[in-house]
Amino acid sequence: GAVVSQHPSWVICKSGTSVKIECRSLDFQATTMFWYRQFPKQSLMLMATSNEGSKATYEQGVEKDKFLINHASLTLSTLTVTSAHPEDSSFYICSARRGALDEQFFGPGTRLTVL
Amino acid sequence: EDQVTQSPEALRLQEGESSSLNCSYTVSGLRGLFWYRQDPGKGPEFLFTLYSAGEEKEKERLKATLTKKESFLHITAPKPEDSATYLCAVRGTQGGSEKLVFGKGTKLTVNP
Repeated sequence: GAVVSQHPSWVICKSGTSVKIECRSLDFQATTMFWYRQFPKQSLMLMATSNEGSKATYEQGVEKDKFLINHASLTLSTLTVTSAHPEDSSFYICSARRGALDEQFFGPGTRLTVL
Repeated sequence: EDQVTQSPEALRLQEGESSSLNCSYTVSGLRGLFWYRQDPGKGPEFLFTLYSAGEEKEKERLKATLTKKESFLHITAPKPEDSATYLCAVRGTQGGSEKLVFGKGTKLTVNP
């Protein structure tokens, strides 16, 4: 099966600091990666779509300058939450799309808590 | 606009009691319908992708079917470890869309 990893799995930070989350496709190359956030008992909310080597496409209402996405290679995408505030506390999940079959696999998620 | 509706929102079953989850969708050109399982505090786990009406896929106690308007996830003789939220999503062809459109999920609880 296809494996997507995320690091860290959880992070606690102080308000005003920046946090970087890494997403890696371990056994396949992902031309497209996605970043979601999920609030308790709610479904996934797509934040942005990123293609390797190009700028991410953000969903309406998602602040580009707050949530910086870099898709530097076919196996790595990063999400940086800049100047984090308590309202940014959430569960962040990345996903990677594999090949011609259009399958999409998710990472285990990162729990961010901003104090 | 692509839409996905899942029902029921929650389902409680006794161990061994078979049932089905429904996913109704509207999409302008279906590229794929996806089923995922999500456990609390974890990312969704891929189960199936279906591409065309009439297609069926099976994995252990799960079987997914697809028509032009809906998909069913049949659970045969479920066990407590099948308890999870099951998510359905579609990817359409409109505008070269890359993204999945998710339903709100069905929370399944299987009691021993």
